[in-house]
Amino acid sequence: DAKTTQPPSMDCAEGRAANLPCNHSTISGNEYVYWYRQIHSQGPQYIIHGLKNNETNEMASLIITEDRKSSTLILPHATLRDTAVYYCIASDSWGKLQFGAGTQVVVTP
Amino acid sequence: EAQVTQNPRYLITVTGKKLTVTCSQNMNHEYMSWYRQDPGLGLRQIYYSMNVEVTDKGDVPEGYKVSRKEKRNFPLILESPSPNQTSLYFCASSFSLGTSGSNEQFFGPGTRLTVL
Repeated sequence: DAKTTQPPSMDCAEGRAANLPCNHSTISGNEYVYWYRQIHSQGPQYIIHGLKNNETNEMASLIITEDRKSSTLILPHATLRDTAVYYCIASDSWGKLQFGAGTQVVVTP
Repeated sequence: EAQVTQNPRYLITVTGKKLTVTCSQNMNHEYMSWYRQDPGLGLRQIYYSMNVEVTDKGDVPEGYKVSRKEKRNFPLILESPSPNQTSLYFCASSFSLGTSGSNEQFFGPGTRLTVL
């Protein structure tokens, strides 16, 4: 599975959009980009995934660059409950999820 | 409610005393997996199972056993626990890998194990 690189931390003001970057320059053609988050030692929670096209669901939007070397997770209106570690993972649909260190997002009032 | 359950949630034990952490899912998922999470090391996969009676090693299988006799259950067995197995353990399940990128895994609440 391709390795991903994320900033270790970022702050976001409540109500504002949070844009979380992820680099995956070695991603292969059959690997999807997955985003999970973990709130304070709870089980990781699936957010969204995509292959080439941008994706949106009730939680977030995923923007993948045309060359697929990077992506951005967008939380449109961050709330205090969005404070968590966010993991960007590149994986084919057969493989295990390789969790890195993730980005610690702190949403402040 | 669709969920993955783990028991116990917390356990303190002593070196060498066999223990089992249970994992059960009610979503009819084929794929199940165990991870451990340690500070600075992130989540690492211990074992996984693609279906009933099919199990395979993950990244850190030493000291652990698993079984998959039924689709819904995937217990993690520590035959002779040691202090270096003190960790936070998560069970996860997924409907079916390999189909349209559907690697959305559902995680249990975690089991915090301390081995003295």
